[in-house]
Amino acid sequence: AQSVTQLDSHVSVSEGTPVLLRCNYSSSYSPSLFWYVQHPNKGLQLLLKYTSAATLVKGINGFEAEFKKSETSFHLTKPSAHMSDAAEYFCVVGYSGAGSYQLTFGKGTKLSVIP
Amino acid sequence: EPEVTQTPSHQVTQMGQEVILRCVPISNHLYFYWYRQILGQKVEFLVSFYNNEISEKSEIFDDQFSVERPDGSNFTLKIRSTKLEDSAMYFCASSAQLGSFEKLFFGSGTQLSVL
Repeated sequence: AQSVTQLDSHVSVSEGTPVLLRCNYSSSYSPSLFWYVQHPNKGLQLLLKYTSAATLVKGINGFEAEFKKSETSFHLTKPSAHMSDAAEYFCVVGYSGAGSYQLTFGKGTKLSVIP
Repeated sequence: EPEVTQTPSHQVTQMGQEVILRCVPISNHLYFYWYRQILGQKVEFLVSFYNNEISEKSEIFDDQFSVERPDGSNFTLKIRSTKLEDSAMYFCASSAQLGSFEKLFFGSGTQLSVL
C-alpha cells in the first residue's frame, strides 16, 4: 500500500522568495515519486520525478526536490518564486504493475505568489 | 507539444441521468486512464485501459461506470445513473509505454456537477 501526505493545503510566498512545499510518503515498494503542477484550466503537468537514481532531482522551471528515505520525505523547493508559479502542486507516489500504472496523489498544495 | 483533450470542460446533469465524458488521447498512445478528484479530496485512480479492455480498476469503478474506445481516437467514461457523490473533476490520461511515468500525459479535466 502507498500513501502521500502534503502537509500544507495552501502556501503563500512573496515573489523572489524561496518556495517549500512539503510531502511525506509511505510505500511498501521502492517508491517512484513525482511532483505534478496544475495551472488554472490546464492539465496536470509533470514537474519532476524520482526513480531511485540521484536523491536530488531537478525539474522544470527551476524546481527541485530531495528524496530523503530516512524521513520518508520528498519536499519541493525553488530558490526564488515567480508569479507564474502560482498553481496547485501535487505530490504523487507511483507503482507500475502488470498492465497499468497506479498513481497515488496527495491532496494538493495551492501556491500563491504575492507581487 | 501533444495534448490530451477532454470535452466538455464542465458538465451539469441531474441525478439519475447518464453522462459520457470524452477524451481524445495522444494519437500514438496505447494506455488510457481515468482519474477523478472530488472537491477538497485527493486525485483517485478509477480505471486503466489497454488493448480494448480494462486492465485495472479501483473499487470506485463499480457497475455504474464503463469505458470505451469506440472509434480508435476517443476514449470515453460513461456513468450510467449519476449520483450526487459523482460530482468531481475527472481527468483522462494516456501514455505510449508502460512503466515510464514521465510519458504519462493528463488532460485538463471535466468538472462534473450532479444536481
